[in-house]
Amino acid sequence: SYELTQPPSVSVSPGQTASITCSGDKLGDKYVCWYQQKPGQSPVLVIYEDTKRPSGIPERFSGSNSGNTATLTISGTQAMDEADYYCRAWDSSTVVFGGGTKLTVL
Amino acid sequence: QVQLQESGPGLVKPSETLSLTCTVSGGSVSSGSYYWSWIRQPPGKGLEWVGHIYYTGGTNYNPSLKSRVTISVDTSKNRFSLKLTSVTAADTAVYYCARGGGSSSGEGYWGQGTPVTVSS
Repeated sequence: SYELTQPPSVSVSPGQTASITCSGDKLGDKYVCWYQQKPGQSPVLVIYEDTKRPSGIPERFSGSNSGNTATLTISGTQAMDEADYYCRAWDSSTVVFGGGTKLTVL
Repeated sequence: QVQLQESGPGLVKPSETLSLTCTVSGGSVSSGSYYWSWIRQPPGKGLEWVGHIYYTGGTNYNPSLKSRVTISVDTSKNRFSLKLTSVTAADTAVYYCARGGGSSSGEGYWGQGTPVTVSS
């Protein structure tokens, strides 16, 4: 079965740029979505189709996908961005999630 | 604004069947543009896709759960349901229902989640 790999944790200082990676075999051939989940809350879609932002998602969130790696980039990271982030891809009519990355803003 | 609300027992005994329902408001489960998903999250762990259903009744399931999972849709009541048989403690999780916009669009609307504990 298809697997997506994320780093367990990423740290960033306020105002700096955070990058969270998601790796999978030929991932660049698939579309990737990214979700943000804060404690006790449901996940929120922040990026779909590799690079697109749903309505209401701040411009500081951006995505890319090439080769075997997709990346979620948060520019000018704010304290409110501290959360768990999950990548997601579609493979053979099934949905696969990455293991999640805890973003710490310190 | 689409809203999804999960409902069902919060406690299920081992070997029994977990049954949950997701009621949709502000949108129709009969819409051909979307699919309707179940996703779960064990305590302290990540998201795990359980499966989804299209308005036609077509389904796709997580291969690791496929033998125990059934997702169905009730268009008359605008809701869809999950049944998971022969549960064990490993099935303890928060269960979310969600609306998917397509293979590339992801799940844009989620319910608040409902915790289910498997214990005797």
